[in-house]
Amino acid sequence: QVQLVQSGAEMKKPGSSVTVSCKPSGGSFDSYTFAWVRQAPGQGLEWMGRIIAIVGITTYAQKFQGRVTITADKSTSTAYMDLERLTSDDTATYYCAAAGANSDSLDFWGQGTLVTVSS
Amino acid sequence: EIVLTQSPGTLSLSPGERATLSCRASQRVTSAYFAWYHQRPGQAPRLLLYGTSKRATGIPDRFSGSGSGTDFTLTISRVEPEDLGVYYCQQYVASLWTFGQGTKVEIK
Repeated sequence: QVQLVQSGAEMKKPGSSVTVSCKPSGGSFDSYTFAWVRQAPGQGLEWMGRIIAIVGITTYAQKFQGRVTITADKSTSTAYMDLERLTSDDTATYYCAAAGANSDSLDFWGQGTLVTVSS
Repeated sequence: EIVLTQSPGTLSLSPGERATLSCRASQRVTSAYFAWYHQRPGQAPRLLLYGTSKRATGIPDRFSGSGSGTDFTLTISRVEPEDLGVYYCQQYVASLWTFGQGTKVEIK
């Protein structure tokens, strides 16, 4: 069973940026599509974007276009999500999830990273 | 963008009862690209069903899925206490994923 290990909680100021990392244990990094999903306190799941690790192709939800960048570093087998120009509305738990080869559903999930944006 | 609307918002059931959760899409969805997830309080979501009706690894057979087009259903044949939490439907089309807003299942 693949485990996705995410970086730790972050406290950020409005207007700054945050980077969250996600490293799978087990499986072949290149075989995964990594997605980022966030969940504001008490709210539902919101898909932000994804990257096909083997080719580095990204797709972003329209809401986050221009503000989010998802990357996959094959040398360290780590996926990253960068979110810029943070506001208090970005306070949420950010999940990394992965679809396996030939899968379009999110088979594996990280433990979540809480990002708090506050002045 | 396809919008997924789940109903009911909350379902309160006793152990052993049957649960029926619905998800309606604003446009036709390909069944192969439709999934359900379960999130227990304080935990990350977990894949339940994919391809509308296929159970993910380790998911008990009391969970089943059906539907096509714009209407999909998750059924829990006999609810158990561990089934509490929020259930989300999700679809994938044109490289975009979207989630429904969730149905909360409470156990009496």
